[in-house]
Amino acid sequence: DVVMTQSPLSLPVTLGQPASISCRSSQSLVHRDGNTYLNWFHQRPGQSPRRLIYKLSKRDSGVPDRFSGSGSGTDFTLTISRVEAEDVGVYYCMQGTHSPPWTFGQGTKVEIK
Amino acid sequence: EVQLAESGGGLVQPGGSLRLSCAASGFTFSSSWMSWVRQAPGKGLEWVANIREDEREKYYVDSVKGRFTISRDNAQNLLFLQMNSLRAEDTAVYYCARYISLGDWGQGTLVTVSS
Repeated sequence: DVVMTQSPLSLPVTLGQPASISCRSSQSLVHRDGNTYLNWFHQRPGQSPRRLIYKLSKRDSGVPDRFSGSGSGTDFTLTISRVEAEDVGVYYCMQGTHSPPWTFGQGTKVEIK
Repeated sequence: EVQLAESGGGLVQPGGSLRLSCAASGFTFSSSWMSWVRQAPGKGLEWVANIREDEREKYYVDSVKGRFTISRDNAQNLLFLQMNSLRAEDTAVYYCARYISLGDWGQGTLVTVSS
């Protein structure tokens, strides 16, 4: 199974400043079809998760453009260009390239300083 | 608007069974892969199972194989998860989600396995 490792696990951020979360996979996530099936999710306290990014860098409908996904091979990054208060919560990466199983990272908790 | 509404959770003794349902609306259910994901209290997300539109492909995480069965009723826009031989470690909020890539999520239903 592909192991997804996120860092940091806790991220204190300053409003209006950029923030980034790293996600590393134990194998390359480039699929034989050329796509990279790496998704990012955000879960606010007490709420269901919401998908932000799919296929490495495609933003879901309604997701603010301050969120961006990047990376290649085994190293990936979710970047928030300017953190807003509503961005607090836990962020998860998930791979679908080598499935089943579909596997998540441990989660990164973002909080305001 | 896509809506997913899980039901069927509750308290069950170890070794018992539960059947979760997910009512879908706002999209063409019969053309969509569907998934179940769970989250143990205070823990992260774990993919549990998914099912192809026509039920010809079903996949499960190893820890539930032989105990859980995913199914669907495309006429009624319903997704199911039959859970047998439940264990304490199955305690979690269970979410249904649209697509293999988990594009939309329900609000979840809590399953507690305890004596």
